[in-house]
Amino acid sequence: SAVISQKPSRDICQRGTSLTIQCQVDSQVTMMFWYRQQPGQSLTLIATANQGSEATYESGFVIDKFPISRPNLTFSTLTVSNMSPEDSSIYLCSASPSGYTDTQYFGPGTRLTVL
Amino acid sequence: KQEVTQIPAALSVPEGENLVLNCSFTDSAIYNLQWFRQDPGKGLTSLLLIQSSQREQTSGRLNASLDKSSGRSTLYIAASQPGDSATYLCAVSAYNTDKLIFGTGTRLQVFP
Repeated sequence: SAVISQKPSRDICQRGTSLTIQCQVDSQVTMMFWYRQQPGQSLTLIATANQGSEATYESGFVIDKFPISRPNLTFSTLTVSNMSPEDSSIYLCSASPSGYTDTQYFGPGTRLTVL
Repeated sequence: KQEVTQIPAALSVPEGENLVLNCSFTDSAIYNLQWFRQDPGKGLTSLLLIQSSQREQTSGRLNASLDKSSGRSTLYIAASQPGDSATYLCAVSAYNTDKLIFGTGTRLQVFP
C-alpha cells in the first residue's frame, strides 16, 4: 500500500496568481497521477507525472496551465497557473505502487477556491 | 472513448438494508475495475480492486462483481450502517495503462 499526503489541504487564491500543490508518498511508486474534481462532479485525470521526464497530459489540459514536476519516485508537484474562478476544484494526487495491475491510492486532496 | 456510468445517482436507505450499486462501462477492454469511497471534503479510499480476469472480490460486508463482456459491475453492501454513508465511485483502467476513468458516483445515505 501507499500513504499519500498533500500540501496545502486548502487555499483561497486571487485571480491571476499561481499555486503549487505538493504530493508526497511514503514509499517509492511506479506511477503518479493528478486529478481534478470540480464541484459536484467526478474525477478527471489531468496528467501522468513521469519521473525524470515531462508529464503526459490528457486532452484538454496543457503544460503551460498545469506544469508538473516529478523529481523522484516519491514526490510530485502540480502548479495551477494564472488562475481563474473556473479553476476552483479539488485537486487530488494518486499513486500506483507497482503499475497497472495495482490498486491506486489517493491523497486527501487540495481544495482550491479562486476569487 | 470509454464512458462510465453509475446508477442510482443517489440512494437513501434505513440502517440494516442490503443494497446494490451499479456501474456500467462502454468499452470492455479494461485491465481492472476499482470501487472507491469518498467522504465529504476528503480524498478517495480504495475499497475493492477486480482484475479483468476475475469475477468478484469480497472485503467484509462488501462484495464487488465484474461482468466484463456486458460492461457491468455491481457493489453489494450487506447490512448497511450509518457509517457507510458516502459517495461511492467506480473507475476502470484501460488495457495496458494505469489511467483511471471514473464514473459519475452514487451518493449513499444510511439513516438510523
